[in-house]
Amino acid sequence: DQQVKQNSPSLSVQEGRISILNCDYTNSMFDYFLWYKKYPAEGPTFLISISSIKDKNEDGRFTVFLNKSAKHLSLHIVPSQPGDSAVYFCAARKGAQKLVFGQGTRLTINP
Amino acid sequence: KAGVTQTPRYLIKTRGQQVTLSCSPISGHRSVSWYQQTPGQGLQFLFEYFSETQRNKGNFPGRFSGRQFSNSRSEMNVSTLELGDSALYLCASSWDRNTGELFFGEGSRLTVL
Repeated sequence: DQQVKQNSPSLSVQEGRISILNCDYTNSMFDYFLWYKKYPAEGPTFLISISSIKDKNEDGRFTVFLNKSAKHLSLHIVPSQPGDSAVYFCAARKGAQKLVFGQGTRLTINP
Repeated sequence: KAGVTQTPRYLIKTRGQQVTLSCSPISGHRSVSWYQQTPGQGLQFLFEYFSETQRNKGNFPGRFSGRQFSNSRSEMNVSTLELGDSALYLCASSWDRNTGELFFGEGSRLTVL
């Protein structure tokens, strides 16, 4: 039962353009949604999160949008930089329960 | 302050052997969660410990076990290793109530031959 899904295994974007990573979920009880970034041989690094009571959260170049009616969230990175090339994981939790992760999307920023 | 520390970082085992991985959470954190990462499967939840008690458990066979000590350090053990157990095993320390964030270590890369 995959409660959090990232349907795009990979995404390629030109440097300076916008990167949009998508995530869908099935459990309407989730109250926190997070994005993590992961480089090979390293642990995931927290990027940004959003509470279910909000529809947008922004932190520098990173913005997360939440559409509860569609059970969909997205991460926008503007402008994209070469150092943004990594695997991005979407995750969600309900209260103090476990954090549930998607399968990840490999983002490649091309010069 | 020091982050989450996992040891060993890399190890190679053969089928049928057992392995023990260690995790020291951020000082003061009392909860430790373990995840398995394999290509295409994302991060799969193994278990969570809080104050030496298992609080949550994922859908893994009984060969996967863990424990937490009074100093919050945690170990996970995998017995009778199979080729499919090759993965990056990640430990995470508590979570931030403001952001929902879990704090991850760098992981232990297990290769089963």
